[in-house]
Amino acid sequence: SQQGEEDPQALSIQEGENATMNCSYKTSINNLQWYRQNSGRGLVHLILIRSNEREKHSGRLRVTLDTSKKSSSLLITASRAADTASYFCATDSRAGNMLTFGGGTRLMVKP
Amino acid sequence: DGGITQSPKYLFRKEGQNVTLSCEQNLNHDAMYWYRQDPGQGLRLIYYSQIVNDFQKGDIAEGYSVSREKKESFPLTVTSAQKNPTAFYLCASHSGIYNEQFFGPGTRLTVL
Repeated sequence: SQQGEEDPQALSIQEGENATMNCSYKTSINNLQWYRQNSGRGLVHLILIRSNEREKHSGRLRVTLDTSKKSSSLLITASRAADTASYFCATDSRAGNMLTFGGGTRLMVKP
Repeated sequence: DGGITQSPKYLFRKEGQNVTLSCEQNLNHDAMYWYRQDPGQGLRLIYYSQIVNDFQKGDIAEGYSVSREKKESFPLTVTSAQKNPTAFYLCASHSGIYNEQFFGPGTRLTVL
C-alpha cells in the first residue's frame, strides 16, 4: 500500500537555491518522517514531525505538517551539491510501528 | 561502531534458486524490518519482527521468508516462488521509542 505520494517526482535546482518537496497521505497518522537516500545506499533519517506539531526545524531543513489537508512539505534552504539525493516521506499510521513510504522526490543540485 | 550491516552488497541468483540475505544490528533494537525497493520507487514492506521468535508479514510477503532466532539477526530468504526478485533490499531497525528507523546499506539482488 502506498500511503504517501510525493511531488514533484524530480527537481533540479542551482546551488544556493531553496528546494521544496511535498508529501500527501491518505489516512490519519501518528507521525510523519522524512528520509534521504543517496544513490545505491540505505536511507538516512532526517526529521520526524508528530501529528500534533505544525512545523519543525533542523539545521537547513524545515518541515511543515497540515493534518487537515493530509500533507507535509520539506524545505531545504541554501542547497548544496551534496544535497543531491532522493527524499522520501514516511507515515506512521499502522499498528506495529510500521512505516509506509512514498515514491520519493529525486533532487539534483547543480554546482 | 553501532549500526546495521547487510551482506552481501551484490547477489546474483539463477532462476529457481533460493538465496538468503543477511541483516545484523548491534543497536540493541527490538524491531527489525525488510523492505524491497524497485528502480525509481519507494520502499515496500516485506516482513517485520518486533521481538525475537516472532515476525509478521508485510505488504508483499509472498515468495519471501524470514527468521528471528536472535535479537541481532533478521535474515531474509528469497525463494524460487518470488517471480520477480530483482530489486534492492533494505533492512532496518528501530528502538521503539520514536519509531525513527535505522537502515543498512542494502543488498542488490539480480536474477540471471
